[in-house]
Amino acid sequence: NAGVMQNPRHLVRRRGQEARLRCSPVKGHSHVYWYRQLPEEGLKFMVYLQKENIIDESGMPKERFSAEFPKEGPSILRIQQVVRGDSAAYFCASSPDREENTEAFFGQGTRLTVV
Amino acid sequence: GQNIDQPTEMTATEGAIVQINCTYQTSGFNGLFWYQQHAGEAPTFLSYNVLDGLEEKGRFSSFLSRSKGYSYLLLKELQMKDSASYLCAVRERSNDYKLSFGAGTTVTVRA
Repeated sequence: NAGVMQNPRHLVRRRGQEARLRCSPVKGHSHVYWYRQLPEEGLKFMVYLQKENIIDESGMPKERFSAEFPKEGPSILRIQQVVRGDSAAYFCASSPDREENTEAFFGQGTRLTVV
Repeated sequence: GQNIDQPTEMTATEGAIVQINCTYQTSGFNGLFWYQQHAGEAPTFLSYNVLDGLEEKGRFSSFLSRSKGYSYLLLKELQMKDSASYLCAVRERSNDYKLSFGAGTTVTVRA
């Protein structure tokens, strides 16, 4: 019974490179959420996706960041032309369709370091 | 916007009780979550309150007062493994799990 799987766990990129973070939700879950956690800060919502649709991207920076959740395969958070300020832990969470469920399950996170 | 406040740090002795308070001001409310997060790991679910009152689950209890915008997490019979960050989070909408988190309270349990 695999939970939310994120990879890679650690990612190092040089300034200007692209970072791709992957998230496979719990089997059967069709809702994915991405959060960012800066050092010494709380988790900040970035984007909410359902299969093939972006539902809420109010927390996404306007430039360089994009997310997708294709019909097949994992959800991808892409950061283009990374800068030092992008260094953070990025967490993915998933939830099922049932509203009565009271929990979103988090992955182990990807720790991005920009050098 | 959302404003969710909790203390930054708390220290307690093994076997003792600690209460972590959380106050919130959000545009909507459809439940309050508490998560535990050990350093370098994923947040793990502890409790969920949507109605006023106390929810007890083993050594952990969570309380909610919607009229006061206030919740607390109570940790009893503290163990060393309880040393972690405790995150208070509010869900504003009923049909998804977009959560607004506080900055977290780091609890240190001392022998």
